[in-house]
Amino acid sequence: SQQGEEDPQALSIQEGENATMNCSYKTSINNLQWYRQNSGRGLVHLILIRSNEREKHSGRLRVTLDTSKKSSSLLITASRAADTASYFCASMLTFGGGTRLMVKP
Amino acid sequence: ETGVTQSPTHLIKTRGQQVTLRCSSQSGHNTVSWYQQALGQGPQFIFQYYREEENGRGNFPPRFSGLQFPNYSSELNVNALELDDSALYLCASSSPGTSNLPYNEQFFGPGTRLTVL
Repeated sequence: SQQGEEDPQALSIQEGENATMNCSYKTSINNLQWYRQNSGRGLVHLILIRSNEREKHSGRLRVTLDTSKKSSSLLITASRAADTASYFCASMLTFGGGTRLMVKP
Repeated sequence: ETGVTQSPTHLIKTRGQQVTLRCSSQSGHNTVSWYQQALGQGPQFIFQYYREEENGRGNFPPRFSGLQFPNYSSELNVNALELDDSALYLCASSSPGTSNLPYNEQFFGPGTRLTVL
């Protein structure tokens, strides 16, 4: 079973546009993490947001957390072709199915 | 600081065989987790080791087993391979959690691609 479920499953945008990915989870969490994976390689940690935080920023990334709705979102602003990857949310060692983002140059 | 490494990179086996995958954790990390990732899916948690003891297990049968060594490197063993075991196997290391932050950032290796024919 998966703790997190990402939405949409796939997203295609033009370079310079913003990309928003959503994640829903089922049980109470201590923190939620977002990871990125390039084409079948290892995952890279992007950002961790604790359950008592509502928003967190890191460079062009903005993550929000709504514990009442058991949901989180990842916003990538001013996207670049190099942002093309799969993005996963994770909580308590359980990952969602991911959003496959394609950024067209 | 050395990152997480995994070996081998690729592996082809036949049904019924056994396989051992290896992982060296990042320097200073004593917790290692293993994941199975089927094509187009998210990583599925297999188990975690902390200080050489299994510290949690996902929904995988007993033919998936592991070890952690005193230097915190780890092995994943899979017996009686099945076609559905074909996947990318990921190892991740982390520092141990605390009561305030039980699940830390994980550092992933590049994975081992296992194909079962």
